Amino acid sequence: QKEVEQNSGPLSVPEGAIASLNCTYSDRGSQSFFWYRQYSGKSPELIMSIYSNGDKEDGRFTAQLNKASQYVSLLIRDSQPSDSATYLCAVNYRYSGAGSYQLTFGKGTKLSVIP
Amino acid sequence: GAVVSQHPSWVICKSGTSVKIECRSLDFQATTMFWYRQFPKQSLMLMATSNEGSKATYEQGVEKDKFLINHASLTLSTLTVTSAHPEDSSFYICSAQGHRETQYFGPGTRLLVL
Repeated sequence: QKEVEQNSGPLSVPEGAIASLNCTYSDRGSQSFFWYRQYSGKSPELIMSIYSNGDKEDGRFTAQLNKASQYVSLLIRDSQPSDSATYLCAVNYRYSGAGSYQLTFGKGTKLSVIP
Repeated sequence: GAVVSQHPSWVICKSGTSVKIECRSLDFQATTMFWYRQFPKQSLMLMATSNEGSKATYEQGVEKDKFLINHASLTLSTLTVTSAHPEDSSFYICSAQGHRETQYFGPGTRLLVL
């Protein structure tokens, strides 16, 4: 069973602080990892993708991957009230022999940035 | 880039009618598209995987005769909810798979069945 675990939160941080979101996954064969942001009532929006161990930075966002520990994280620096949303971790896995992949999503962590 | 559209954005229909939702990848070709459903305050639930030119693969518990999926081209997949009932009211979201299995989501379709 492919599983992706996230702390459901809510995670509350003050404006300007660093928000740290964590995710663990069960399939050691997974090669692609994603963070999506979902505002209430909206569809998910891709924030970051990461494929190699280490850090990947994009603006205020940094994704971190540790395949040995099966751990992915997302750091949001200088958090803003507009960052308040649910953050979904997603991990790929192959679901057929033809090279087809699906994503397994975590249940999401709700982040609240307090002004 | 990587824009996915959905139409309609919301629909209200009477119980027993059928509703078709379109999902288009606007600036890339998608061999694979996915259909999700999300109830209020709940997680995304994958309904089916749609591959261009072949039959869709449905997740366990999803009725394939009720939720008809057609993926006739590399940029268009449709979901038809047949004989809709109030319990089918939900937020339906499609995604199109791009480079390295990245999924790009459409804006979603809110369905309300009266």
